[in-house]
Amino acid sequence: QKEVEQNSGPLSVPEGAIASLNCTYSDRGSQSFFWYRQYSGKSPELIMSIYSNGDKEDGRFTAQLNKASQYVSLLIRDSQPSDSATYLCAVNPSGTYKYIFGTGTRLKVLA
Amino acid sequence: KAGVTQTPRYLIKTRGQQVTLSCSPISGHRSVSWYQQTPGQGLQFLFEYFSETQRNKGNFPGRFSGRQFSNSRSEMNVSTLELGDSALYLCASSHTYGNTEAFFGQGTRLTVV
Repeated sequence: QKEVEQNSGPLSVPEGAIASLNCTYSDRGSQSFFWYRQYSGKSPELIMSIYSNGDKEDGRFTAQLNKASQYVSLLIRDSQPSDSATYLCAVNPSGTYKYIFGTGTRLKVLA
Repeated sequence: KAGVTQTPRYLIKTRGQQVTLSCSPISGHRSVSWYQQTPGQGLQFLFEYFSETQRNKGNFPGRFSGRQFSNSRSEMNVSTLELGDSALYLCASSHTYGNTEAFFGQGTRLTVV
């Protein structure tokens, strides 16, 4: 079992819709969770961090964390074609200070 | 505020050679992490430095090494290059180490021929 799993996609949504990206992790003791966006040929850009169960909102982005079920999700409201990118989930497993990344979900927002 | 700066941006090397990559973190950040990104394996953690000390290390062979200087700048060295070392090498900067947000540089694209 991979430590951090994401559906590779592509996930296609129409412009203006809500895009829902999911990530599951194996280490139950993980404490920190991050979402990065990576455009083709570019480096990852931090979108959100979340540390506590529940929702965290920042503009059109909402991160959701459920430690009991070991999943973290990212919702993008009013999706725009410029949101088309690969979204990477990163987890900080317990007892370590390194980040484990999922392989990413490719999102395509159709105009 | 300047971001994370990596040099060079592109590099072509021959098998067997060695290479040194450089990373300057965000001003005030003292932790630098290095990652290798390939299409097949995704982003994989190499090592992390804080206060000139390696704090964490990933599962890479000893040919991959690094160091951090007193001004927090970091270098990564790969010796005896192999074709499989061709990848995007990313450096990430954090204020401190452990459970904090990391910000990536633009990366160094290494091609081994």
